[in-house]
Amino acid sequence: QVQLVESGGGVVQPGGSLRLSCAASGFTFSPYGMHWVRQAPGKGLEWVAVIGHDGTYKYDADSVRGRFTISRDNSKNTLYLQMDSLRPEDTAVYYCARDLGRGRYCDYWGQGTLVTVSS
Amino acid sequence: EIVLTQSPATLSLSPGERASLSCRASQSVSSYLAWYQQKPGQTPRLLIYDASNRATGIPARFSGSGSGTDFTLTISNLEPEDFAVYYCQHGSNRLTFGGGTKVEIK
Repeated sequence: QVQLVESGGGVVQPGGSLRLSCAASGFTFSPYGMHWVRQAPGKGLEWVAVIGHDGTYKYDADSVRGRFTISRDNSKNTLYLQMDSLRPEDTAVYYCARDLGRGRYCDYWGQGTLVTVSS
Repeated sequence: EIVLTQSPATLSLSPGERASLSCRASQSVSSYLAWYQQKPGQTPRLLIYDASNRATGIPARFSGSGSGTDFTLTISNLEPEDFAVYYCQHGSNRLTFGGGTKVEIK
């Protein structure tokens, strides 16, 4: 069965960096695009970034452009999100999610990892 | 940038009733719209994609309709486990989510 397990969250000061990982299992990772979606405490869902199956295309939200970088290692079945210049408004649970196809929807989601940006 | 507006913000219903949730797009999204369910403390679950296609394992009481700018998620006979927050979402490389509708027990 499809499993996505995020890790790497924690507490970081404003201006700091974190790298999130998402380990995929239960399916063949390499043919699928992957997304990061976040949810601030008590708020709705906000899409962060997407990467194509082979990493040749990437898109990200205006709110993170120039600060966050999505990447993947298909040999390790792992998705990453490098987060730099973190701000308090980046505080959220970060979910990785598998793309259903064509970069449009997310069909499986991980349980999420909490990132808290605070001094 | 496409904006998705969901209404109402909260829907108070009893088990067995029919729920109709609305999602309106600021411009046409054709049929490229999905619905997700999220229960407290849980991860979102894909219910409907391409406006009307049920995702794998989703019960038939969930149905989606609409195209262009106006979409509806209908839950025909509310079960206790259906009380949750529902989000609509449009995708075209970049994804956009609506603000959510909470379906609560009356």
